[in-house]
Amino acid sequence: GESVGLHLPTLSVQEGDNSIINCAYSNSASDYFIWYKQESGKGPQFIIDIRSNMDKRQGQRVTVLLNKTVKHLSLQIAATQPGDSAVYFCAEFYSSASKIIFGSGTRLSIRP
Amino acid sequence: EAQVTQNPRYLITVTGKKLTVTCSQNMNHEYMSWYRQDPGLGLRQIYYSMNVEVTDKGDVPEGYKVSRKEKRNFPLILESPSPNQTSLYFCASGLGGGADTQYFGPGTRLTVL
Repeated sequence: GESVGLHLPTLSVQEGDNSIINCAYSNSASDYFIWYKQESGKGPQFIIDIRSNMDKRQGQRVTVLLNKTVKHLSLQIAATQPGDSAVYFCAEFYSSASKIIFGSGTRLSIRP
Repeated sequence: EAQVTQNPRYLITVTGKKLTVTCSQNMNHEYMSWYRQDPGLGLRQIYYSMNVEVTDKGDVPEGYKVSRKEKRNFPLILESPSPNQTSLYFCASGLGGGADTQYFGPGTRLTVL
């Protein structure tokens, strides 16, 4: 069945180091994979997405990697800053149904 | 400022007392959606609307109603709330339901006693 999950519920990273947040998915029919950031008391905020026919996409300080062979998605944040502290969700998007399926989230905390 | 607003932000109510959570967007978006967020379950879609007068069920529609009489508003209605509807609710809007165009509201924390 459809599912989007995360390997680790929490991740602690030293400020300045790179962060890698992982995600596994089970359904190969999605059109996009998306990463959202949710800060405390706020709604999810779009970070970056990647089409299912791509392997890598880069944004400002973030890179998303997609490995369709093992159905794995990762978000890399370069030079992690205190403002990166949040819960990060991966999600699958099906354009035919305008449907997003969210994973359960990973909390990223930054050590000074 | 482009935004999605929800009201109320916090609500404590009792079982069976009808309530409405309003959602409004000022971006002229056609697509709007409601999600609930529960610990360990992520966000789950309740209902969505592709345009005015067009609404469809999401993954967890039971116990909820919605209406889309005008483009900017998409209220969520709980006719007879139950404790299992205690949750954090998010409204979102987008140009066409696309992955990179959904904007989320600040959330409404609902407690049903």
